[in-house]
Order: sequence, then structure tokens, then C-alpha cells
Amino acid sequence: QQQVKQSPQSLIVQKGGIPIINCAYENTAFDYFPWYQQFPGKGPALLIAIRPDVSEKKEGRFTISFNKSAKQFSLHIMDSQPGDSATYFCAASNTQGGSEKLVFGKGTKLTVNP
Amino acid sequence: DSGVTQTPKHLITATGQRVTLRCSPRSGDLSVYWYQQSLDQGLQFLIQYYNGEERAKGNILERFSAQQFPDLHSELNLSSLELGDSALYFCASSATTVSGNTIYFGEGSWLTVV
Repeated sequence: QQQVKQSPQSLIVQKGGIPIINCAYENTAFDYFPWYQQFPGKGPALLIAIRPDVSEKKEGRFTISFNKSAKQFSLHIMDSQPGDSATYFCAASNTQGGSEKLVFGKGTKLTVNP
Repeated sequence: DSGVTQTPKHLITATGQRVTLRCSPRSGDLSVYWYQQSLDQGLQFLIQYYNGEERAKGNILERFSAQQFPDLHSELNLSSLELGDSALYFCASSATTVSGNTIYFGEGSWLTVV
């Protein structure tokens, strides 16, 4: 049972474009939704995170939009750069559930062409 | 650099063998997580320890075991290895904060079973 569904699997945009990656979750007990960025040969690194009491969070060129009623959240990358080419993972956790373990989506491989 | 250290970085071993992966969490982090990353399954949570005690268990096979020592480092033991165990194994650590559980990943241990 996949608790966090992520799409698309891959995405190619031109420099300056705004890639959007979408995630949907099933477990309404999830209350923490981070996005991780992973470069080849490296571990995932936290990019930005949101809690369900806000509908949007922005950090630099990265924005999370959150729709609690639809159980969906998405990552927007403004003015994308070739250096943003990486695999992006959405995740979710229930921080009140006794464990902070993250449930990950399957990832989106983003390519930003110069 | 996330501050999470994993050794070895690469490991090649034969089927039926046993290996131990080692992880040193970030200074002060009490929680350690193990994740398995493969192409088809994505990032799968295996197990979490908190201050030496098992906190949560995920999709961890009975052939696998882990522990967290008093100095907070952790080891993941993989035995009776099969070809399908070839994957990237990540250790992560966290310090729960008011704003959420920021989980930091190491660079992983590449395991190849031949």
C-alpha cells in the first residue's frame, strides 16, 4: 500500500521554467510534509517542509502548496536552474504517532536544460 | 555535509554472506533511522531507534537486524544475503524540534550482492 503517491516520475524543463511536482497522501494522521532533494551519489537532503495548518510556504525559489481537504501537496520551483537537476521526493509523517519515520513518494527526476 | 556518517561507502559481497553497516548520527541526535533505496521500491523505511531503544519497525526482513549503542551509533546487520538485497542503505538521524522532525541523511552505503 503506497501511502504517498508522487507524480510525475520524470520532468524536463527549460532554464527559467517552473516545474511542479505533485503528491497525494491517504493517511489523515500525517501532520508533517517535507520535500527532499537528492543528487546522484548523495543522500536525500531536506529542501522545505510544511505543516497542514498553512496552505503555502515559500523558501527562496521553492514553494510548497498544501490542500488539506484534497490531501494533496505540491512543490513549485521558480526560475529553475540546471543546478536544480536532481531527484525530488515528497514525504509525510505523523509526528504524534510515537515515531517520526517518513513515508516517501517514489521520487521525481527533474532535468533542467540550459 | 549532513553530519551523519556511514561506513562503508561501498561493499561487494557474495550471496549467503553477512555484512554490517555502521552509522554515526549527528552530534546530539537521539533518533537513528535506516532506509533502503532501490530503483523499484524507492526509499523504504526499515527501522528506527531512539536513545538505544527500538521505536518503530517498517519493511525490515527477518534476516536484517539493527541496534543502537550507548554512544548512539547504530549498526545494521544483513545476513543470508540475496541478490535482491543489493541496494543503497541510508542511515538518518533527527532531533525533533517544535516545527517538525528534521531528518538528516547520510550519504549511504552501496551494497552489491553477487
